[in-house]
Amino acid sequence: KNEVEQSPQNLTAQEGEFITINCSYSVGISALHWLQQHPGGGIVSLFMLSSGKKKHGRLIATINIQEKHSSLHITASHPRDSAVYICAVYNTDKLIFGTGTRLQVFP
Amino acid sequence: GAVVSQHPSRVICKSGTSVKIECRSLDFQATTMFWYRQFPKQSLMLMATSNEGSKATYEQGVEKDKFLINHASLTLSTLTVTSAHPEDSSFYICSARDWTSGNYEQYFGPGTRLTVT
Repeated sequence: KNEVEQSPQNLTAQEGEFITINCSYSVGISALHWLQQHPGGGIVSLFMLSSGKKKHGRLIATINIQEKHSSLHITASHPRDSAVYICAVYNTDKLIFGTGTRLQVFP
Repeated sequence: GAVVSQHPSRVICKSGTSVKIECRSLDFQATTMFWYRQFPKQSLMLMATSNEGSKATYEQGVEKDKFLINHASLTLSTLTVTSAHPEDSSFYICSARDWTSGNYEQYFGPGTRLTVT
């Protein structure tokens, strides 16, 4: 079993839909990253959080340390949101990555 | 936000040759840099961690003589794939962390796609 699990693995949505991607982890962490990887391969850090909730534009990330769970929400999804979203946790100063969620948003 | 660059973005080389990939932090000093490898539709796999001025720490199963890492300055780390073989073809990504910022923020480069023929 992976130390960081994401669900779903694949997700398709219509433009405008509200999207949720979940991340569960089984190790102790000091922080959690949500990353976005576009087809070209480059990775962008969307959020880093260790408690509570963060919001940036249409993106919201939450984390529940007690339940070892984090969610990434996208409101009013758009085709340009199509990408792979990766959850990664800091454990002993190294990042452990989830396997990613491939999101496709259709117009 | 902080910017990390990689060069080249794409390289094709012949089997048996060596390839050097550069990773630079453009607007901050990277006390620690990480090198990752990613196979198609798979997650990132940490290869090694390098701290400026000291030897890199390699993950289990990564050959240090094959993947040479140098972190000679606070803004530059290099990964050299020596005697490359087709199985070394992959997407290599570096990331950098500025410990002086006091947080765990890690910034990723755009990646280098290596194809060994």
